Amino acid sequence: EPEVTQTPSHQVTQMGQEVILRCVPISNHLYFYWYRQILGQKVEFLVSFYNNEISEKSEIFDDQFSVERPDGSNFTLKIRSTKLEDSAMYFCASSGGGQGNGYTFGSGTRLTVV
Amino acid sequence: AQTVTQSQPEMSVQEAETVTLSCTYDTSESDYYLFWYKQPPSRQMILVIRQEAYKQQNATENRFSVNFQKAAKSFSLKISDSQLGDAAMYFCAYMRYGGSQGNLIFGKGTKLSVKP
Repeated sequence: EPEVTQTPSHQVTQMGQEVILRCVPISNHLYFYWYRQILGQKVEFLVSFYNNEISEKSEIFDDQFSVERPDGSNFTLKIRSTKLEDSAMYFCASSGGGQGNGYTFGSGTRLTVV
Repeated sequence: AQTVTQSQPEMSVQEAETVTLSCTYDTSESDYYLFWYKQPPSRQMILVIRQEAYKQQNATENRFSVNFQKAAKSFSLKISDSQLGDAAMYFCAYMRYGGSQGNLIFGKGTKLSVKP
């Protein structure tokens, strides 16, 4: 069964450093998402991406965050200057366009900011 | 704004028994989708079951079924013949219908333990 692949599985970074989280969505999917889950809390929407541009973003997705689909297969989330409160699991997801089908999530990247 | 509430932070069930996880939501929309996702210790989010609000019939996937009460804005998940592998966090989620691809709004989750 097709999978959404995320790398790395765990990233440790120093506060103030830039990090890039990588995702390879399912190849024929058109819509891409990033979600965040702070430990012990609910999963929160960050951003959705379609046709090479952001289609929707949450209040969490401020100027420190950016997304990119650099080569037609990868989908990246960049955090420019990490803060301690950015420590969380980051999930990438993709969908084929049928809303009712839900999304396919990756297994997440655990980001730890020290 | 839409909200999703899961009032049971933790639940426990005996293996082979049945358990029901509760979910309520708030929306002014008439068309939308509802989902249950499972998050095992591996942390991956796995779709368990989905329901279209315009369908009156409750969705069923093998041992998993829902009780969708649109007027009450309730969407509970029933797990029959519980197995040890069902132990996980379960998240209820809402998605609005139509327009651009909507984002998922999650509840806080219910941690399900299965006792052998």
